Amino acid sequence: NAGVTQTPKFQVLKTGQSMTLQCAQDMNHEYMSWYRQDPGMGLRLIHYSVGAGITDQGEVPNGYNVSRSTTEDFPLRLLSAAPSQTSVYFCASSYSMLMSSYEQYFGPGTRLTVT
Amino acid sequence: GQQVMQIPQYQHVQEGEDFTTYCNSSTTLSNIQWYKQRPGGHPVFLIQLVKSGEVKKQKRLTFQFGEAKKNSSLHITATQTTDVGTYFCAAPRGSQGNLIFGKGTKLSVKP
Repeated sequence: NAGVTQTPKFQVLKTGQSMTLQCAQDMNHEYMSWYRQDPGMGLRLIHYSVGAGITDQGEVPNGYNVSRSTTEDFPLRLLSAAPSQTSVYFCASSYSMLMSSYEQYFGPGTRLTVT
Repeated sequence: GQQVMQIPQYQHVQEGEDFTTYCNSSTTLSNIQWYKQRPGGHPVFLIQLVKSGEVKKQKRLTFQFGEAKKNSSLHITATQTTDVGTYFCAAPRGSQGNLIFGKGTKLSVKP
């Protein structure tokens, strides 16, 4: 199993540009989520999904969209990039919708810089 | 809103010294998880604690869950350079099931 994969690893955007961060998992996990990590802020939840076709907002959803058309994939879209979105983005998956009872598997991350 | 406070934010130790990080919540937790993130890496699950007063060990790492299930700690005995990284606790966010992460404790170990 590849686990959780993310692409790209690094990305530089200009303010106003849009892009999609890709995330895929091959563990047949129901639950997938996106976090951003900023220095001194820990991991903050952006959006999450409890299954195909179901998504919901986390702590910091503004400026981001998600969709979950398949169990495997959970892309994160930046609609109009802003410097405040410079961060490291992690995708994670977990076996069950009761995800607090199951370990989360994290992808390797995407380091995004917005200039 | 619900918060999980983690202290200290940074800890610098000499190799061989012990290290402890603490996680505190204002509300009773159903369980707590611990993750480790190596520099430049991604968080990796270490353990989950569920029972009041639970103590679990993984080699030199000892994890505890408080009797009131509002706090937890991770203790590393005789640190090694391989222990370098940031340690996070994570707890369920209310009834949603999502995890809320502490801000982490960054451990550096001087050889």
